[in-house]
Amino acid sequence: GIQVEQSPPDLILQEGANSTLRCNFSDSVNNLQWFHQNPWGQLINLFYIPSGTKQNGRLSATTVATERYSLLYISSSQTTDSGVYFCAVGMSTSGTYKYIFGTGTRLKVLA
Amino acid sequence: GAVVSQHPSRVICKSGTSVKIECRSLDFQATTMFWYRQFPKKSLMLMATSNEGSKATYEQGVEKDKFLINHASLTLSTLTVTSAHPEDSSFYICSASRLAGGRAYNEQFFGPGTRLTVL
Repeated sequence: GIQVEQSPPDLILQEGANSTLRCNFSDSVNNLQWFHQNPWGQLINLFYIPSGTKQNGRLSATTVATERYSLLYISSSQTTDSGVYFCAVGMSTSGTYKYIFGTGTRLKVLA
Repeated sequence: GAVVSQHPSRVICKSGTSVKIECRSLDFQATTMFWYRQFPKKSLMLMATSNEGSKATYEQGVEKDKFLINHASLTLSTLTVTSAHPEDSSFYICSASRLAGGRAYNEQFFGPGTRLTVL
């Protein structure tokens, strides 16, 4: 099956720093989403980005589907950005549409 | 918009009992709902995909008789963990999927999760 790998697995930043998180996938996909999982376990939608570039405040994302990767940029990080970031790829297999999650990046932003 | 609720948020039960978890899309009709399981400090693992009115599609290695999924309407799916054992203790998360305007494929929205502890 498809492999979805994220890097780095862990990241510690000082408040105000910028960072880039990467999501690599091993097969063609129909769509891609980025999520932030807060300390209570809730997944928050960040981007629906099957291709191209999108920006939302301090966050932006780029997906290059032909090269099978996506990047999430966090600028001027804040302590509230701490948590786990997941990418999830959507694909159709055997008549079923499903999502496979990446391995995650655990981010800690220090004050 | 796109709010998904999950109930209960936390449940503790004795070994051998069954537990039902509900997942509801509150302000949209979900074409598909998904159930995931997450172990501490791990990623989400897809358990099954369910479409309203049809049988769920289970991922390889997930026991159908152990994890019963019912998708009775476009806004409600339930997961029943039957004859629960301590190894079933985990964080269970549902998501609901819909087509949003201008999009070719569904976007998924997540419930807050249910933490199951089996004693």
